[in-house]
Amino acid sequence: KNQVEQSPQSLIILEGKNCTLQCNYTVSPFSNLRWYKQDTGRGPVSLTIMTFSENTKSNGRYTATLDADTKQSSLHITASQLSDSASYICVVSDRGSTLGRLYFGRGTQLTVWP
Amino acid sequence: DVKVTQSSRYLVKRTGEKVFLECVQDMDHENMFWYRQDPGLGLRLIYFSYDVKMKEKGDIPEGYSVSREKKERFSLILESASTNQTSMYLCASSLTSGASGTDTQYFGPGTRLTVL
Repeated sequence: KNQVEQSPQSLIILEGKNCTLQCNYTVSPFSNLRWYKQDTGRGPVSLTIMTFSENTKSNGRYTATLDADTKQSSLHITASQLSDSASYICVVSDRGSTLGRLYFGRGTQLTVWP
Repeated sequence: DVKVTQSSRYLVKRTGEKVFLECVQDMDHENMFWYRQDPGLGLRLIYFSYDVKMKEKGDIPEGYSVSREKKERFSLILESASTNQTSMYLCASSLTSGASGTDTQYFGPGTRLTVL
């Protein structure tokens, strides 16, 4: 069964600290993995996308890694800011359908305290 | 920048009412999607469309229908709203279909629907 599991479910860190969010998936055949950021009351916004051959991708203070062998990804946030408080969603796409079906994790709720 | 807009940010309806949620995208995307998002469950796909007048069921289509008469517009219809359809509804669009699946989905701001 194609699934995407994220951990931790929630996380609280102090402003300026680093943190790492985890994503494990069983989606097959794998096409790509995305990390989305969703602010409260808003739609998700794409942060990074990685295909099978890519093992790291950065977007400012966000760095995503992918290990396609172990089917794991992480999102590392450096020098956190208050505006990083949001839900971070891991999304995996398969190659089994023409449209590229998406499988969503349930998200990690990050809270950054001053 | 891609812009996906939804007709309402907040909506309150009564049980049994017919509800229309509209989504418009301005980037000529072929694919459009409707999701609902509930606490602890993540995003779940209701319906999607890869072309005008074409529609496909997602994981939870029961109680919903959709309409895509124009490329830029995708409507979600609740024929007879029920309290268990209280949720955040998100519309998304992406550029092309194809096995590569690398096309990012762009989301609208969401409509928070409450059914009383």
